[in-house]
Amino acid sequence: SQQGEEDPQALSIQEGENATMNCSYKTSINNLQWYRQNSGRGLVHLILIRSNEREKHSGRLRVTLDTSKKSSSLLITASRAADTASYFCATGSNYKLTFGKGTLLTVNP
Amino acid sequence: SQTIHQWPATLVQPVGSPLSLECTVEGTSNPNLYWYRQAAGRGLQLLFYSVGIGQISSEVPQNLSASRPQDRQFILSSKKLLLSDSGFYLCAWEGQLRSYNEQFFGPGTRLTVL
Repeated sequence: SQQGEEDPQALSIQEGENATMNCSYKTSINNLQWYRQNSGRGLVHLILIRSNEREKHSGRLRVTLDTSKKSSSLLITASRAADTASYFCATGSNYKLTFGKGTLLTVNP
Repeated sequence: SQTIHQWPATLVQPVGSPLSLECTVEGTSNPNLYWYRQAAGRGLQLLFYSVGIGQISSEVPQNLSASRPQDRQFILSSKKLLLSDSGFYLCAWEGQLRSYNEQFFGPGTRLTVL
């Protein structure tokens, strides 16, 4: 079964707006990661947040982690049309990552 | 720098035919290697992972198998394909460069079984 579950499944916004995606998971984790996948391509790692961290920034990305609620959020600020992609959270434990089903983000120009 | 290659990029195979997908990594040694499958509109399902030559762990019982004949080569195989084997197959590697569990993905192989 999937460990991470993203919400919403799909999100459509206008260029310049912020996009927020959420991820919930079920078991204890070492870290949580976010990946992006453009249509028909491989996944690209965006950011990793460790279980002892609460917030992390990378450029226009902001990730939060609440281990008490077993949830994480990914905020993309000032979105661009090029941000259109599917975004996946993945929880890391031992050698393995477990991925959610993803959020399809569409940024309209 | 490290790169990961997968081939073929696209494959159309009849039911019952064999399969061999190859993944190679350059620029790193002793990586952990992974095979995932992604069905249309779905997340990634981990199929196999390997922490060393000849060491394969299977996550999902099915008619697929994996082998790691060399340190940076990972092969996904099947003797007889099923319709349900259609999907997007992704290979990934993980090392100790930056963060534990950060994985780097290949471009994928889109397999259609008819």
